[in-house]
Amino acid sequence: DAGVIQSPRHEVTEMGQEVTLRCKPISGHDYLFWYRQTMMRGLELLIYFNNNVPIDDSGMPEDRFSAKMPNASFSTLKIQPSEPRDSAVYFCASIRQGNTEAFFGQGTRLTVV
Amino acid sequence: QKEVEQNSGPLSVPEGAIASLNCTYSDRGSQSFFWYRQYSGKSPELIMFIYSNGDKEDGRFTAQLNKASQYVSLLIRDSQPSDSATYLCAVNRDTGRRALTFGSGTRLQVQP
Repeated sequence: DAGVIQSPRHEVTEMGQEVTLRCKPISGHDYLFWYRQTMMRGLELLIYFNNNVPIDDSGMPEDRFSAKMPNASFSTLKIQPSEPRDSAVYFCASIRQGNTEAFFGQGTRLTVV
Repeated sequence: QKEVEQNSGPLSVPEGAIASLNCTYSDRGSQSFFWYRQYSGKSPELIMFIYSNGDKEDGRFTAQLNKASQYVSLLIRDSQPSDSATYLCAVNRDTGRRALTFGSGTRLQVQP
């Protein structure tokens, strides 16, 4: 398996623009997580899904952020409109039911100017 | 108070020494505990997990858990320059909720 795949790896956008981050979890994994990492706040959970259903979105900063998982092999995190304070590395991770290890994608480095 | 606290470091140790990384957590209901390693510019990768009080060894790594003191540690024996990375402590409040809460990490530097 190729692991968790995220795209794009880097994104530079202007303030106010819409940004869409994409994630393909490992096949057969039931849980998918979106995390954000910054120097100031470390690695924070934004939202997670179980069997494509959002379970906990309490970490989503505000209404500008939305996430979807239309099927077991694809999820998106959208920011609209983007702001400079959204600049961070966004990680997607997945876990198989009954296992303990979360596998992380390579992350998307987002810069909002 | 943060849910998971770690000293940001850097912790500097000479090659061959034992590196001791520490983590405290605030939620007494936490059930499982994880150590992830993150190289600069890379994604976190799991090193070890521990559920029960006491020690758990895996090669050069030993995780220690003391639930009464709400304390988790990671010992790295015979430290190598390749161990230089940021080590993230993470906790899970219950086995039904699979999401992890991470500490901000401790940067380890192993000097050759």
